[in-house]
Amino acid sequence: QQPVQSPQAVILREGEDAVINCSSSKALYSVHWYRQKHGEAPVFLMILLKGGEQKGHEKISASFNEKKQQSSLYLTASQLSYSGTYFCGTDKSSGDKLTFGTGTRLAVRP
Amino acid sequence: NAGVTQTPKFQVLKTGQSMTLQCAQDMNHEYMSWYRQDPGMGLRLIHYSVGAGITDQGEVPNGYNVSRSTTEDFPLRLLSAAPSQTSVYFCASSKGQRNTEAFFGQGTRLTVV
Repeated sequence: QQPVQSPQAVILREGEDAVINCSSSKALYSVHWYRQKHGEAPVFLMILLKGGEQKGHEKISASFNEKKQQSSLYLTASQLSYSGTYFCGTDKSSGDKLTFGTGTRLAVRP
Repeated sequence: NAGVTQTPKFQVLKTGQSMTLQCAQDMNHEYMSWYRQDPGMGLRLIHYSVGAGITDQGEVPNGYNVSRSTTEDFPLRLLSAAPSQTSVYFCASSKGQRNTEAFFGQGTRLTVV
């Protein structure tokens, strides 16, 4: 079952902040975040493991609340280069498959 | 360092035709997978492999076959193409099954008419 991402789309002005959420109905072992620019392949951002560990990539960070089976991606002081579609992928405790959400389209305007 | 290479980049097929999408990686990764991407659906797992000689089904396996005779190659076969298989296909590889970064190929845009 695919994780649910919200919002589906967001438009920002350069310098604004955004939060993208990813939730699952099942227990999670890890959460992966990827960004895909139009016409390109998805590119890895970070992995979060069970334990609530927070990670960062440039001005992008994420958290993982295993009790709530949720992860949030925080984009701080957004740049034009942040535009793209963000996908979370979840890895359930009981299986090996990485299942992706439907994506959040982010557009950053000057 | 080529990473993950997919061929072809574009393909048009007629309904009922068969074809193979090629995927090769040069990173000695054990884990490889195939996804399809459709508007509003995200990335959906078709088949995956945890090593040479081992494959398993993902979320949407019907109409597709895979094999993994070597660590490097993981081809995806469409047995009898249908318009519902029009999509963008991505191959990915990673060092392990979990907790590792997945590297994606550039994708194959397939249209079935």
